[in-house]
Amino acid sequence: QQQVKQSPQSLIVQKGGISIINCAYENTAFDYFPWYQQFPGKGPALLIAIRPDVSEKKEGRFTISFNKSAKQFSLHIMDSQPGDSATYFCAAKGAGSYQLTFGKGTKLSVIP
Amino acid sequence: EAGVAQSPRYKIIEKRQSVAFWCNPISGHATLYWYQQILGQGPKLLIQFQNNGVVDDSQLPKDRFSAERLKGVDSTLKIQPAKLEDSAVYLCASSPRASGTTFNEQFFGPGTRLTVL
Repeated sequence: QQQVKQSPQSLIVQKGGISIINCAYENTAFDYFPWYQQFPGKGPALLIAIRPDVSEKKEGRFTISFNKSAKQFSLHIMDSQPGDSATYFCAAKGAGSYQLTFGKGTKLSVIP
Repeated sequence: EAGVAQSPRYKIIEKRQSVAFWCNPISGHATLYWYQQILGQGPKLLIQFQNNGVVDDSQLPKDRFSAERLKGVDSTLKIQPAKLEDSAVYLCASSPRASGTTFNEQFFGPGTRLTVL
């Protein structure tokens, strides 16, 4: 089965710091790499997504870095805030389909 | 715009009982998904509908799970009989476009938390 490996499992960051979450994939037949944010009791919500022909995408404080040759991508949250405390999932979309394969998630805690 | 609605939000049953979950997608969304999210893991796709037809149900345990999407709108997911390992959050998601292979954002509902005792 196609896999997306995510690390770390949990992360504690001081307010104002940078949060970094990493993901790696094995299958080259993925054509979109979204990140989802999930708060307790809520469903995941799309945060930001990138195509494999782009090396970086930035939206506000959130940046995806993508390394196609290494089959790795990461989410950077600049100036982390307590409101960013949530579980973050990386995912990969299969080429030619709508199917998403999710990582296991990273629980981020931003402490004041 | 109203989001994806799911009910019930919580359900506790004993093993070997049956249970059903309901999902109402965002109006006009052609594609509907059911995911299983076990505690500490990412969502796993169970079944995908496009309008009222099944696109992919390869990860649905068909001996106990069934799903339908009547008239291409609401959907129900049923488990019969339930096992302890079915304890999870069941998420429903929908996306707007019925065709194409560009990134098609999925909008998730709040989920139904199932506990099987």
